[in-house]
Amino acid sequence: EADIYQTPRYLVIGTGKKITLECSQTMGHDKMYWYQQDPGMELHLIHYSYGVNSTEKGDLSSESTVSRIRTEHFPLTLESARPSHTSQYLCASSADTISNQPQHFGDGTRLSIL
Amino acid sequence: QKEVEQDPGPLSVPEGAIVSLNCTYSNSAFQYFMWYRQYSRKGPELLMYTYSSGNKEDGRFTAQVDKSSKYISLFIRDSQPSDSATYLCATSGARTDKLIFGTGTRLQVFP
Repeated sequence: EADIYQTPRYLVIGTGKKITLECSQTMGHDKMYWYQQDPGMELHLIHYSYGVNSTEKGDLSSESTVSRIRTEHFPLTLESARPSHTSQYLCASSADTISNQPQHFGDGTRLSIL
Repeated sequence: QKEVEQDPGPLSVPEGAIVSLNCTYSNSAFQYFMWYRQYSRKGPELLMYTYSSGNKEDGRFTAQVDKSSKYISLFIRDSQPSDSATYLCATSGARTDKLIFGTGTRLQVFP
């Protein structure tokens, strides 16, 4: 069973605030991902990391930034939140092996910007 | 055109029914196929993971991949109310682990 944790689960906050969404995994996975999910829409990859000090932008443009200082931790930051950032943010991880391994997800952070 | 197409539903079936969920995809380079189940206010949970064409069975769930027609299916036998959730199909190519998701099909199993 995957052990990947996201906090907070829900966040309602005003425009202009700086926000950090936390994601931690205890499986020692090198690969970690951030997705954005809106109702009725597919998940879109916004950031990924293949290990410590590795970060890349995903397919969906995002004003957020990420860091990977420790293997188990992959936080996502919004410097100045706007209503357009309202969405569900999902973190995932997978094992780094030769063959593709499936991604395991946390329960997400539901973010509402007023 | 989306790379993965999935009927959003909702699909409503009685308890005990056989459920068929389907996706089509456009890129013949896709090699890995997954089904995730997502309950309300939870993250996607991996149900099935298959490589290339063929069938894979796990309990009441069977995943089927037909690469010739670019069609993937998930069958649920003896469906239960606890199966009520959104089911997401996903796929990736051989040289990348970036997943392409369908929009999800919402399934409701009523007693």
